[in-house]
Amino acid sequence: EPEVTQTPSHQVTQMGQEVILRCVPISNHLYFYWYRQILGQKVEFLVSFYNNEISEKSEIFDDQFSVERPDGSNFTLKIRSTKLEDSAMYFCASSYSSYEQYFGPGTRLTVT
Amino acid sequence: KQEVTQIPAALSVPEGENLVLNCSFTDSAIYNLQWFRQDPGKGLTSLLLIQSSQREQTSGRLNASLDKSSGRSTLYIAASQPGDSATYLCAVLMEYGNKLVFGAGTILRVKS
Repeated sequence: EPEVTQTPSHQVTQMGQEVILRCVPISNHLYFYWYRQILGQKVEFLVSFYNNEISEKSEIFDDQFSVERPDGSNFTLKIRSTKLEDSAMYFCASSYSSYEQYFGPGTRLTVT
Repeated sequence: KQEVTQIPAALSVPEGENLVLNCSFTDSAIYNLQWFRQDPGKGLTSLLLIQSSQREQTSGRLNASLDKSSGRSTLYIAASQPGDSATYLCAVLMEYGNKLVFGAGTILRVKS
């Protein structure tokens, strides 16, 4: 069964460094998303992406964040200058339409 | 702003019991509702999706119902097993936009 994959599974970085989290969505899906979950808190929406542009973003998704679909298979989330409060589990998701979203296993980001 | 609440926050039951998890949402303008399972430190596995026009969905021992007008959904788990132990998340997709809004989850422990 097709699945969303994410790399790396765990990323440790120092405050102020740039990180890129990578995702490979399900191949025929058209909508792509990033969510995050700070330890002990709710899963929060960050951004959705369709037709090579951002379709919706939350207040969390400020100028420090960017997304890109550099080729036909990858979908990336970049954090330009990480802060301690960016430490969280980041989930990528994809969907064929505004229907069922399929989530990847997540990347645990630890900012020290 | 949509708020999703899940009750109870935690539940511990002996193996074999039937149980009900509750989810409520404040804005009934939803497109669909998804129930997810999350194992500790892992990603989100979609269990059931109910479209706003549907009343319930079933998959194996799981049955989810939706009362859109009253802003409620329930997840019924029949004959619980220790392997059902996990956090169960409810999330709604709004009619406008394409982000999922999550509840905080119910932590379920099924004792053998």
